[in-house]
Amino acid sequence: EDQVTQSPEALRLQEGESSSLNCSYTVSGLRGLFWYRQDPGKGPEFLFTLYSAGEEKEKERLKATLTKKESFLHITAPKPEDSATYLCAVLTGNQFYFGTGTSLTVIP
Amino acid sequence: GAGVSQSPSNKVTEKGKDVELRCDPISGHTALYWYRQSLGQGLEFLIYFQGNSAPDKSGLPSDRFSAERTGGSVSTLTIQRTQQEDSAVYLCASSFPKGVGGELFFGEGSRLTVL
Repeated sequence: EDQVTQSPEALRLQEGESSSLNCSYTVSGLRGLFWYRQDPGKGPEFLFTLYSAGEEKEKERLKATLTKKESFLHITAPKPEDSATYLCAVLTGNQFYFGTGTSLTVIP
Repeated sequence: GAGVSQSPSNKVTEKGKDVELRCDPISGHTALYWYRQSLGQGLEFLIYFQGNSAPDKSGLPSDRFSAERTGGSVSTLTIQRTQQEDSAVYLCASSFPKGVGGELFFGEGSRLTVL
């Protein structure tokens, strides 16, 4: 059964305290792994797509990496405005399977 | 508009009533998805439209749920005889014409509350 698991469920960081979010998956025929950011009351906003193991993408304080079994979203020196829920999704066939997200709070 | 537009943004209804939720995708996007998001749960796939192909309805939770997409653009999700467990945020997303494999662009969602 295709599954996507994110950890931790919630993470509180001091401003400037770097950390990583994990997305592990078991799917057949991975076509892509996607990271989204979701703010309260809003729809998810696209961040990154990773297609193959070893691939990395960066955007400002965020860096996403991919292995054959998991992806990490590294947050370097986070700021309060990085507070949000981060979702990962895997694409297999025509289906996107989403994890339940990591709720990140960055404290000033 | 520049993004995916959903309406209404909020809907409160009584148990047993029918509701219609509308999604206006980004112009030119041929793929359109509906998802349901409940508190503390991941996004639950409901239905997928791609161009003129038959929709993938495999995620619809019961025959009370249906969706259509007119003219390859606007989509309507209909829930008949609503139940309290239907309360959730319903999200619509569309993607580029290069086909599935590109990122999804989401609307802001329609929050449904069934009393």
